[in-house]
Amino acid sequence: SQTIHQWPATLVQPVGSPLSLECTVEGTSNPNLYWYRQAAGRGLQLLFYSVGIGQISSEVPQNLSASRPQDRQFILSSKKLLLSDSGFYLCAWNRQGNTEAFFGQGTRLTVV
Amino acid sequence: GQQLNQSPQSMFIQEGEDVSMNCTSSSIFNTWLWYKQDPGEGPVLLIALYKAGELTSNGRLTAQFGITRKDSFLNISASIPSDVGIYFCAGQLRRGTGTASKLTFGTGTRLQVTL
Repeated sequence: SQTIHQWPATLVQPVGSPLSLECTVEGTSNPNLYWYRQAAGRGLQLLFYSVGIGQISSEVPQNLSASRPQDRQFILSSKKLLLSDSGFYLCAWNRQGNTEAFFGQGTRLTVV
Repeated sequence: GQQLNQSPQSMFIQEGEDVSMNCTSSSIFNTWLWYKQDPGEGPVLLIALYKAGELTSNGRLTAQFGITRKDSFLNISASIPSDVGIYFCAGQLRRGTGTASKLTFGTGTRLQVTL
């Protein structure tokens, strides 16, 4: 069966510090991978998606970047965090051509 | 851009009651999904709908893909305490092989069940 792992679960970082969140998927190959952000009490906003290694599409301009160095690894990064980067970050995957997306457990990021 | 409005935003119900919530879009969708999110967790897929008019059940949950393709409905029968959480609808306009599934999410309906 397929599983998706995200870490860390929670993170408190000072303003101006770098960020690296990691997501890995097991039990499948060549998945589509996604990063979403969820502000408190809000819905999910798609940040980045990837259909293959090294292929990244950005949905909204922001202080973040994404990379896919391996088939089942998706990384969300920032060089210098802003207070507004605080939120709940969710990684998701689905099979090529399928609609149903499956989510990781999320990372609660607080920038102080 | 596409917007999904969910209603109600929140609801308090008693255990055993039935629950109804809906999601409306300014654009048509080819696929509707319903997710449930527990506090501090990622959303979990409940039901997927692919065809206008389709009615699909998953245990006590029933969802429908509206005929106009601009709305969807989720019903929960005989609610229990573990139904507490936030329910999100999500829609996708385009399906195709080799492409990413860019879902648009609703703002969520927060459900609280009292004993």
